[in-house]
Amino acid sequence: QKEVEQDPGPLSVPEGAIVSLNCTYSNSAFQYFMWYRQYSRKGPELLMYTYSSGNKEDGRFTAQVDKSSKYISLFIRDSQPSDSATYLCAMSPYGNNRLAFGKGNQVVVIP
Amino acid sequence: EAGVTQFPSHSVIEKGQTVTLRCDPISGHDNLYWYRRVMGKEIKFLLHFVKESKQDESGMPNNRFLAERTGGTYSTLKVQPAELEDSGVYFCASSQIPGQTNYEQYFGPGTRLTVT
Repeated sequence: QKEVEQDPGPLSVPEGAIVSLNCTYSNSAFQYFMWYRQYSRKGPELLMYTYSSGNKEDGRFTAQVDKSSKYISLFIRDSQPSDSATYLCAMSPYGNNRLAFGKGNQVVVIP
Repeated sequence: EAGVTQFPSHSVIEKGQTVTLRCDPISGHDNLYWYRRVMGKEIKFLLHFVKESKQDESGMPNNRFLAERTGGTYSTLKVQPAELEDSGVYFCASSQIPGQTNYEQYFGPGTRLTVT
């Protein structure tokens, strides 16, 4: 069983729509949960992070972590064409720096 | 402040040849990581340096891969001899040590390695 599962299917939405992304994981030791955004030919860029369970909001972005279900989500409100990118979930245990990534979702926001 | 830089951006070599990838972390970052993404798969951890010491090299696939970080600044990752399955994008990342958490890893643009 993979440590992190992220359905890699592409997602195409009209501008202004809400984008919903999620990952599941199997390792109960994971404490840090991150979402990275990656533009074409660039490296991943940290977008959001959450420690343990709970919600975190930053502008149009909301990250949610439900440790009881081993499920994390990222919501993008009022999506813009500039949000078109690949979004990767990543996580790590406390005190361990190795990130475990999901496969990523390619998101296209159509003007 | 300059970000993480990697060189070369793309390398095409033949099976059996040697390739050396270089990573320059953000100045002052003690932690340096190597990751790899093989086509169709997720990004996978290879190893982690703290300054010049290997903290965790559990992700290195085999002894054809050698990573070094002499002097605790830039790092190199050598593949010798390269095999077809080594093709992929190699990312380097670096981070500081803010308190007890090391969550914010800054990634370079990656080196795309193609072994033919």
